[in-house]
Amino acid sequence: ILNVEQSPQSLHVQEGDSTNFTCSFPSSNFYALHWYRWETAKSPEALFVMTLNGDEKKKGRISATLNTKEGYSYLYIKGSQPEDSATYLCASRLTFGSGTQLTVLP
Amino acid sequence: DTGVSQNPRHKITKRGQNVTFRCDPISEHNRLYWYRQTLGQGPEFLTYFQNEAQLEKSRLLSDRFSAERPKGSFSTLEIQRTEQGDSAMYLCASSAGALAKNIQYFGAGTRLSVL
Repeated sequence: ILNVEQSPQSLHVQEGDSTNFTCSFPSSNFYALHWYRWETAKSPEALFVMTLNGDEKKKGRISATLNTKEGYSYLYIKGSQPEDSATYLCASRLTFGSGTQLTVLP
Repeated sequence: DTGVSQNPRHKITKRGQNVTFRCDPISEHNRLYWYRQTLGQGPEFLTYFQNEAQLEKSRLLSDRFSAERPKGSFSTLEIQRTEQGDSAMYLCASSAGALAKNIQYFGAGTRLSVL
C-alpha cells in the first residue's frame, strides 16, 4: 500500500498572496502523480498528470513540479484569488493524500 | 451532460439495510473506479473495472461490499447490512485507455448516511 502525504492540512491566505503545498509519495516504482482540485459540492477536477522527473506543468496561475527521485511534488498558486479556495489532492496510482484545504480571504 | 453521473446524490438508510448506488461513466471510457471519502480524508480506493472485468479490489473492502459492471457501461455498488461506519461519500470516476496515468473524471458522489 502506497503512502501519499500532503502538507499543510489547511492553509489560509490573503487574496493576492502566492502559496504552495507539498505532496510526498514513495519514490520506488513511481508511475504517475495526479493533482486534483475539489471545490465544495462539486466533483474533483484533474489539474495535472505528471510522469517525468523534473516535470513542470502550468495552468493559468497554478503550476506544479515533480521530483521522482526524492518522492515529492509541489503545487504553486500565484496571486491567489477567492475562487481558488478548494481542497487540493494529489494521488499516486490509486492512493490519494488527505488533501490541503486552501481558503483565500478577500 | 456527458460527464460522470451518480445516483442517488444522497441516501439515508437505517443500519442493517442494503443500499445500491449507480454510476454512469463517460461513454467512451473503459475504466471505472469506486472510491469512498470520509471527512478530512482523501478518496480511498475501493475497486476498479476495465470494461466489465473487475481488475482490483481493496483489501480493506468488507465482504458486504460488491460492485458490478455487467456490460462494461454503468456500474453499481451495493452495500449489504449497512453499518454506521459505512457513512461516507461514495465517488465514482472513469478514464479512457488502460494506463493508470490517464486522467480520471469524477462524478459528484453519493452521500450515504446510516442511522
